[in-house]
Amino acid sequence: QKEVEQNSGPLSVPEGAIASLNCTYSDRGSQSFFWYRQYSGKSPELIMFIYSNGDKEDGRFTAQLNKASQYVSLLIRDSQPSDSATYLCAVNMKTSYDKVIFGPGTSLSVIP
Amino acid sequence: EPEVTQTPSHQVTQMGQEVILRCVPISNHLYFYWYRQILGQKVEFLVSFYNNEISEKSEIFDDQFSVERPDGSNFTLKIRSTKLEDSAMYFCASRGTGYNSPLHFGNGTRLTVT
Repeated sequence: QKEVEQNSGPLSVPEGAIASLNCTYSDRGSQSFFWYRQYSGKSPELIMFIYSNGDKEDGRFTAQLNKASQYVSLLIRDSQPSDSATYLCAVNMKTSYDKVIFGPGTSLSVIP
Repeated sequence: EPEVTQTPSHQVTQMGQEVILRCVPISNHLYFYWYRQILGQKVEFLVSFYNNEISEKSEIFDDQFSVERPDGSNFTLKIRSTKLEDSAMYFCASRGTGYNSPLHFGNGTRLTVT
């Protein structure tokens, strides 16, 4: 089983809609989870992080974590064309604090 | 806002040559990382570095690779004898203390091996 998995997409949503991005991870004891956005040819840019079960909101973004299901998601409300990018889920492995593993990313396209 | 800086932004080298990619992490960060991203593929963990030694490395990080913190500010990745398949974007990242602190990435160095 791959360490961090995401649907590759592309995911297309109309402008103003909610985009839902999902991620699962294999290391049950993992504690910290991060969402990054990556535009083509650019470096990953942190959107938000979460480490407690439940929801965490930051502006138009909500991260959701369910450790029992080993599942983390990102909701983007009122999606804008500028949100079109690849969204990377990253997990700090329980086995090592010093190892943060990225999923393959989900490509999001917001259609005007 | 403090940032991670990487130089050069683009490096072209011939197969078999040695390259050194340079990074200046955020000044009060203690944990440093190198990642690789081959065009169209995922961001892959190479190595993490703390307290002047490697703390974790992946299967990709073989004897061809080495990292060093030669002074109080720079963090370097050396590839001893480059191969065509080393062509990729290399990202440096750093993080502060605390298990939940996120990685902050530099803009990357695009390495092209010909």
